Amino acid sequence: GQQLNQSPQSMFIQEGEDVSMNCTSSSIFNTWLWYKQEPGEGPVLLIALYKAGELTSNGRLTAQFGITRKDSFLNISASIPSDVGIYFCAGPYSGGSNYKLTFGKGTLLTVNP
Amino acid sequence: GAVVSQHPSRVICKSGTSVKIECRSLDFQATTMFWYRQFPKKSLMLMATSNEGSKATYEQGVEKDKFLINHASLTLSTLTVTSAHPEDSSFYICSASPPAGDYNEQFFGPGTRLTVL
Repeated sequence: GQQLNQSPQSMFIQEGEDVSMNCTSSSIFNTWLWYKQEPGEGPVLLIALYKAGELTSNGRLTAQFGITRKDSFLNISASIPSDVGIYFCAGPYSGGSNYKLTFGKGTLLTVNP
Repeated sequence: GAVVSQHPSRVICKSGTSVKIECRSLDFQATTMFWYRQFPKKSLMLMATSNEGSKATYEQGVEKDKFLINHASLTLSTLTVTSAHPEDSSFYICSASPPAGDYNEQFFGPGTRLTVL
């Protein structure tokens, strides 16, 4: 089955630093999604990517859909304390007809003020 | 738009009791909703797909008689954990996809923390 490998598993950075995390898949994806989850809350959709090579920004966040369609990265520029949380990549199950998602294991981001 | 709510946000129950969790799409109709389970510091694990007007589809290893799902309307799905035991303690999250957007974009509820004593 499909597997999403997300790295790094955790990051400890200083406020103001840039952050980069990535996700790779064992199979081709047609959509990449990036979510952020804060403690005790459900995940919130940050960015959705639909085309290979696509580069999309949402404020200080930038995500790219890899050319091979098997990877994606998420960058956060000039991090602030409220960026703390777990970031998940996700993509649709291959061949699924009911739009199920598979998730990476998450990147735990800690920002020191 | 695309707001999903869950109720309750937290529940503590005794072993052997049943607990019902509600998931509502507040500003759109959802023919399909999804139920996930999440353990501390772990990723989301899909439990089942809830289909309006028909039976839910369960993922491998998820007991359908243990986790009863009812999707009686286009805005409400319920998950009932029957005869709950301490190992059922977890964070349960639902999601739904608005029909007007990309069906792969799922919007999540705030989650329900279940603690079974």
